[in-house]
Amino acid sequence: GQQLNQSPQSMFIQEGEDVSMNCTSSSIFNTWLWYKQDPGEGPVLLIALYKAGELTSNGRLTAQFGITRKDSFLNISASIPSDVGIYFCACQNYGGSQGNLIFGKGTKLSVKP
Amino acid sequence: EAQVTQNPRYLITVTGKKLTVTCSQNMNHEYMSWYRQDPGLGLRQIYYSMNVEVTDKGDVPEGYKVSRKEKRNFPLILESPSPNQTSLYFCASSLSSPPGTGELFFGEGSRLTVL
Repeated sequence: GQQLNQSPQSMFIQEGEDVSMNCTSSSIFNTWLWYKQDPGEGPVLLIALYKAGELTSNGRLTAQFGITRKDSFLNISASIPSDVGIYFCACQNYGGSQGNLIFGKGTKLSVKP
Repeated sequence: EAQVTQNPRYLITVTGKKLTVTCSQNMNHEYMSWYRQDPGLGLRQIYYSMNVEVTDKGDVPEGYKVSRKEKRNFPLILESPSPNQTSLYFCASSLSSPPGTGELFFGEGSRLTVL
């Protein structure tokens, strides 16, 4: 099946540092999404991107939908301890018959106070 | 409170002993799905359901069954569990079917260990 390449797999950073992670695909998608999974919980949607080139912010988080529709990045500025968790990118071609979101393998973020 | 509820949250069982993980949502969502999460493999879809009595295989359906007799419930059945089904399982739902905006609401997860 289709796969997303998400990198890095893990990051260990100091509080206050900026973070960048990205996701690439060999296929074109209509929608790119970023989810965060806090320890011991289910993933929660952070940002949704629906248009190639779109740049969207949510507080300290910024994500962009690549112009080729095959990639996306997520940046976190001035990280804080509660940013710890696993970040997943996900893709979808909405309107398709299958209804599947395809998830990346995740980026595990650790923040040292 | 709007939520997706899974039970049990934790279970240790033995090979071959049938088990069911229940999932219920109170948001009147049409779309429901099951995922398993394994280290280094991310979230992989097991089965999904577009509506009542409509289910379909995801990427890793082997060894699992599901049913969607009511809109709110989507149980995951392991008829004869094996150790390779030891995993963290998530149920998720979405208002639209397929999830047009991409927003899935996830349960808190069920950690299953098969000995």
